[in-house]
Amino acid sequence: DAMVIQNPRYQVTQFGKPVTLSCSQTLNHNVMYWYQQKSSQAPKLLFHYYDKDFNNEADTPDNFQSRRPNTSFCFLDIRSPGLGDAAMYLCATSSGGLHPTDTQYFGPGTRLTVL
Amino acid sequence: AQSVTQLGSHVSVSEGALVLLRCNYSSSVPPYLFWYVQYPNQGLQLLLKYTTGATLVKGINGFEAEFKKSETSFHLTKPSAHMSDAAEYFCAVIQNSGNTPLVFGKGTRLSVIA
Repeated sequence: DAMVIQNPRYQVTQFGKPVTLSCSQTLNHNVMYWYQQKSSQAPKLLFHYYDKDFNNEADTPDNFQSRRPNTSFCFLDIRSPGLGDAAMYLCATSSGGLHPTDTQYFGPGTRLTVL
Repeated sequence: AQSVTQLGSHVSVSEGALVLLRCNYSSSVPPYLFWYVQYPNQGLQLLLKYTTGATLVKGINGFEAEFKKSETSFHLTKPSAHMSDAAEYFCAVIQNSGNTPLVFGKGTRLSVIA
């Protein structure tokens, strides 16, 4: 089945130790998104790729970076995780460009714990 | 800028009872509206969406929502709750023009009591 896959599902890192979260998709969608969702809160968009064009939300900290080496894969790099970065990180994809009605398909998320 | 308000962070209903989750939006232009469901430790799944046309939208799992422009509302309903409906529900809005992000409400946790 076509889907959005996130690895790992659970990630534990130490304060200040860089960590990379992975997202892959078999939907062949050209738009990929990264969201941060803290406990009992709504998902918050960090950035998105429209094909290879990177779009950063204005309030996304510089500590968060992303790479998209090809259509199928997208990575979220947290350069120096702080305790406040502990959250669920959700990857999503959509097709047809940035038309507002395009449904976003979400992966299961990676829950990040920072010790 | 658009925004979404979900009334009630937690709603509890008995199995078989009506489910009503409230969502009001604010948008300077006609919006597109979505309801997503999130089960524990999982991603979000689209329940239904309103773009244009019929204001009563039917979704998966027996849910439906009605877009009421005069009330700026998009409430989610289901006639009879099932135990498997227990989850977090998010209302979201996006403007129908321009490159703007999907904006989510804070979510409503639905509990279903046997």
